[in-house]
Amino acid sequence: EAGVTQSPTHLIKTRGQQATLRCSPISGHTSVYWYQQALGLGLQFLLWYDEGEERNRGNFPPRFSGRQFPNYSSELNVNALELEDSALYLCASSLGVAGSSGANVLTFGAGSRLTVL
Amino acid sequence: KNEVEQSPQNLTAQEGEFITINCSYSVGISALHWLQQHPGGGIVSLFMLSSGKKKHGRLIATINIQEKHSSLHITASHPRDSAVYICAVCLRTSGSRLTFGEGTQLTVNP
Repeated sequence: EAGVTQSPTHLIKTRGQQATLRCSPISGHTSVYWYQQALGLGLQFLLWYDEGEERNRGNFPPRFSGRQFPNYSSELNVNALELEDSALYLCASSLGVAGSSGANVLTFGAGSRLTVL
Repeated sequence: KNEVEQSPQNLTAQEGEFITINCSYSVGISALHWLQQHPGGGIVSLFMLSSGKKKHGRLIATINIQEKHSSLHITASHPRDSAVYICAVCLRTSGSRLTFGEGTQLTVNP
């Protein structure tokens, strides 16, 4: 069974540009989560999508947005890139709401490393 | 004060040693995760706990809900266990959103 896949693995952009990151969850998983891990900082929760709807978002500006498609894959868009957006962006998926039952463990992708010059 | 605190921040051990990483949290949670992050960033979910104890191979995770504390133990440690171990909690008040500890960098020397 394929795990959570993310693309691209690496992305280099310049300030002011837009970046789009993609995530394909494990087959059958309906919830997708996005996290940012900036250099020197811990993981920060960005967004949670479930059944095509945004369920929760972290303390990030509106420049960070995303969507979930009918096949449950997801996109994270970052507009008007700033230098501090350089980070590893991790996607995770779960069968249902992560933490709500023993079955709903999170599976993480390998991440997309975004560098803003 | 962080809602999730881990200790130690860095840990160096010799192969074969028993290792303990601790996680304390200050709010009510519905579940606690232990994650392993390898160099390069890939993360593996090791355990999800809401009570008691879980064991998988050489890894053991325990949680004491009353004391708001969890431990991750590694028995017979091996250099391939070298990684960052992250504690993350699912707050009762935040739905599925996880709050992460700062992580513990473990280095196991041969």
